[in-house]
Amino acid sequence: DSGVTQTPKHLITATGQRVTLRCSPRSGDLSVYWYQQSLDQGLQFLIQYYNGEERAKGNILERFSAQQFPDLHSELNLSSLELGDSALYFCASSSPVQDRSGNTIYFGEGSWLTVV
Amino acid sequence: EDQVTQSPEALRLQEGESSSLNCSYTVSGLRGLFWYRQDPGKGPEFLFTLYSAGEEKEKERLKATLTKKESFLHITAPKPEDSATYLCAVQAYSGAGSYQLTFGKGTKLSVIP
Repeated sequence: DSGVTQTPKHLITATGQRVTLRCSPRSGDLSVYWYQQSLDQGLQFLIQYYNGEERAKGNILERFSAQQFPDLHSELNLSSLELGDSALYFCASSSPVQDRSGNTIYFGEGSWLTVV
Repeated sequence: EDQVTQSPEALRLQEGESSSLNCSYTVSGLRGLFWYRQDPGKGPEFLFTLYSAGEEKEKERLKATLTKKESFLHITAPKPEDSATYLCAVQAYSGAGSYQLTFGKGTKLSVIP
């Protein structure tokens, strides 16, 4: 158990709909990352938040958005869903510690999204 | 652009048959090279971080090594429970105080009893 909690574990929704994925980072971690994993693309970085502020953006579509709240949990919002958005979405977190131990990114168990 | 290539894509071993997985990379300013294990439908589980060429780390039947261009994950006398996908990732500076991981596509290891 990495200590990163994600909900829901599975969800099925129709094209055009909007869903919200939720993540609680490990205790004490300030950074939250979102990744998408599909069969053909591997793990793709979407976005990072640090202590409530957006820190870095990766390959995140304009239809997707995220935020990190004062209690440090994060939500990833996916809207106008398409069949191709079906994937595993992972949240990860890392420590604010400045030494090397702060480099490690720990992943949650993921949210399976199926768009039908 | 940072790139990570893992080989082979898939590997079948008999129980006890040792082998190595390869991860070659190109990156500007490597901060660390990470190995993760991922079971089907689960999140990646952290195994090792390597920071400089010549560094080695071990955990049970796994040993990771690093050179300036590649990393190897050696599996000694594997057991069926070692079956998983092994992911390699490089961490580099991406601006604004942020360091990001770029992942390879993984090697799917199957260990047959």
